[in-house]
Amino acid sequence: EIVLTQSPGTLSLSPGERATLSCWASQTVSSSYLAWYQQKPGLAPRLLIYGASNRATGIPDRFSGSGSGTDFSLTISRLEPEDFAVYYCQQYGNSPWTFGQGTKVEIK
Amino acid sequence: EVQLVQSGAEVKKPGESLKISCKGSGYSFTIYWIAWVRQMPGKGLEWMGIIYPGVSDTRYSPSFQGQVTISADKSITTAYLEWSSLKASDTAMYYCARPKTVGAFDAFDIWGQGTLVTVSS
Repeated sequence: EIVLTQSPGTLSLSPGERATLSCWASQTVSSSYLAWYQQKPGLAPRLLIYGASNRATGIPDRFSGSGSGTDFSLTISRLEPEDFAVYYCQQYGNSPWTFGQGTKVEIK
Repeated sequence: EVQLVQSGAEVKKPGESLKISCKGSGYSFTIYWIAWVRQMPGKGLEWMGIIYPGVSDTRYSPSFQGQVTISADKSITTAYLEWSSLKASDTAMYYCARPKTVGAFDAFDIWGQGTLVTVSS
């Protein structure tokens, strides 16, 4: 099973600042089958990025993903008030599919 | 509109059985996999398993194999997650989710609204 480790656990930033979230995999993620999701309290997760760097439909271009192999990152170029949430990475290249433990982006 | 609509919240006692549902609409139900994801209170997301409704091909995470049963009824475009004997530790929100690509394992772009299962004596 591929274990995904996200860092940091919590990121305290102000609106307008840049956020960089990391996701490390215990093994190579096949074909960069790595996704990022945003989850707000009481809501289902929302797909942001798939294939490590492709934005999902309707996702603003301030969200970008990068990386390959075992090291991946999600960058939010300028935080908007609605971006404060929990973010999860997920690999779907090897069964069982796994999620990271999440990074909470909170208002400083 | 493509959507997954899940059944309502459940409150059960330990040892009871339960089957929750996830109805797909607005797309061809039989040719997309549907997964189930657990989120325990205040915790992260856990992939439980996945089913291809067209032929009921089912895969489980080792962590959930033997603990739950995933099934589907393509005639009513509905997937199910079932427990034969609930435990308090099954208390969680359960989401169904659909990959973004036909017939393929892919990121989940469509999610149900979640079903809260509470198991308490």
